[in-house]
Amino acid sequence: SQQGEEDPQALSIQEGENATMNCSYKTSINNLQWYRQNSGRGLVHLILIRSNEREKHSGRLRVTLDTSKKSSSLLITASRAADTASYFCATGANNLFFGTGTRLTVIP
Amino acid sequence: GAGVSQSPRYKVAKRGQDVALRCDPISGHVSLFWYQQALGQGPEFLTYFQNEAQLDKSGLPSDRFFAERPEGSVSTLKIQRTQQEDSAVYLCASSSHRTGFTGELFFGEGSRLTVL
Repeated sequence: SQQGEEDPQALSIQEGENATMNCSYKTSINNLQWYRQNSGRGLVHLILIRSNEREKHSGRLRVTLDTSKKSSSLLITASRAADTASYFCATGANNLFFGTGTRLTVIP
Repeated sequence: GAGVSQSPRYKVAKRGQDVALRCDPISGHVSLFWYQQALGQGPEFLTYFQNEAQLDKSGLPSDRFFAERPEGSVSTLKIQRTQQEDSAVYLCASSSHRTGFTGELFFGEGSRLTVL
């Protein structure tokens, strides 16, 4: 079974808008990672946030982590059509378990 | 090559056939993972190697699934007597970290298996 659950399952926005995806997980973590997957391709690592961090930025990405609520969010600012993809959070102790994903569609 | 390479990219098998899927990880990467991804779902963990040792195979769905990494580099996932429910994309990932959770995983493009 999968460790995390993303919310919403699907999100459709206009180019230039911000996109926010949420992830809830079940057990204590050392870190949480976000990955992106374009249709028919492998997953690409976006960002890792450690359990002692609350927020992290990378370019247009902003990730927050709330360990008390066992949740994380991924914000993509000023979205582009090329951001259209599925986004997964992943956590684990000895290996990495992925959530169910959010399918993001950015309309040009 | 620079990335994780998987072959074949596409495989069609008749029910009952055996298949073998190959993964070439990034050179020098210690950890190697196999995942199964059904259409519209997230990757489901199958098994994990650290060098040639298979440290976790708890995700393998049945004894028809077998993975090996004999020299600590290339890995093969074998599925015996394939069933229709085995149809999925099989993803391989590698990491330079000894336990994958401490760092990022690098994924291959996957092998899409269709069982007729």
